[in-house]
Amino acid sequence: EIVLTQSPGTLSLSPGERATLSCRASQSVSSTYLAWYQQKPGQAPRLLIYGASSRATGIPDRFSGSGSGTDFTLTISRLEPEDFAVYYCQQYGSSPRYSFGQGTKLEIK
Amino acid sequence: QLQLQESGPGLVKPSETLSLTCIVSGGSISSSDYYWGWIRQPPGKALEWIGSIYYSGSTYYNPSLKSRVTISVDTSKNQFSLKLSSVTAADTAVYYCARQYGTLFDPWGQGTLVTVSS
Repeated sequence: EIVLTQSPGTLSLSPGERATLSCRASQSVSSTYLAWYQQKPGQAPRLLIYGASSRATGIPDRFSGSGSGTDFTLTISRLEPEDFAVYYCQQYGSSPRYSFGQGTKLEIK
Repeated sequence: QLQLQESGPGLVKPSETLSLTCIVSGGSISSSDYYWGWIRQPPGKALEWIGSIYYSGSTYYNPSLKSRVTISVDTSKNQFSLKLSSVTAADTAVYYCARQYGTLFDPWGQGTLVTVSS
């Protein structure tokens, strides 16, 4: 079973700052199968990044993804007020087919 | 624009069966391009994939829940359903349905909170 560990658990930053979120896998994950989701309070998750680095439709270019193997990163270049949310990474691979990290909460400092 | 909406009881007694339906609008559940999935999120915890179904009825489940889960599809009503048997308090969660495109879940329904309590 592949376990995804996200860090930090909570990240406190100010609008305009750069955010770097980490997702580490317990085994190697194909970049093709690594995605990031954003979840705002009371809302369903929304797909942000797929294939480790491709932005989903309508996602602003301040969001970027990178990484390979066991280490992946979501970067938000300049935080906007609407970016403060919880972010999850997700992988497809061995059993279970799909798993999610525990999330990083991005909060306003 | 594709929309998904979960429906079902918000309260289920321990040992009983949780039943939810996801109604799909703005698109056909019979599209050959997609699977349809269920994901849940216990309060304050991470997302957990439950299982997925194709319009033909083909399914695959999370092994940790497989013995208790049944997902079915009704193409005539453009909806799919989740049944989770022998529930306990650990099954209390917000349950989401989502369209599954390849290995991605997008979009998702708004989610419905199911509480297991006597």
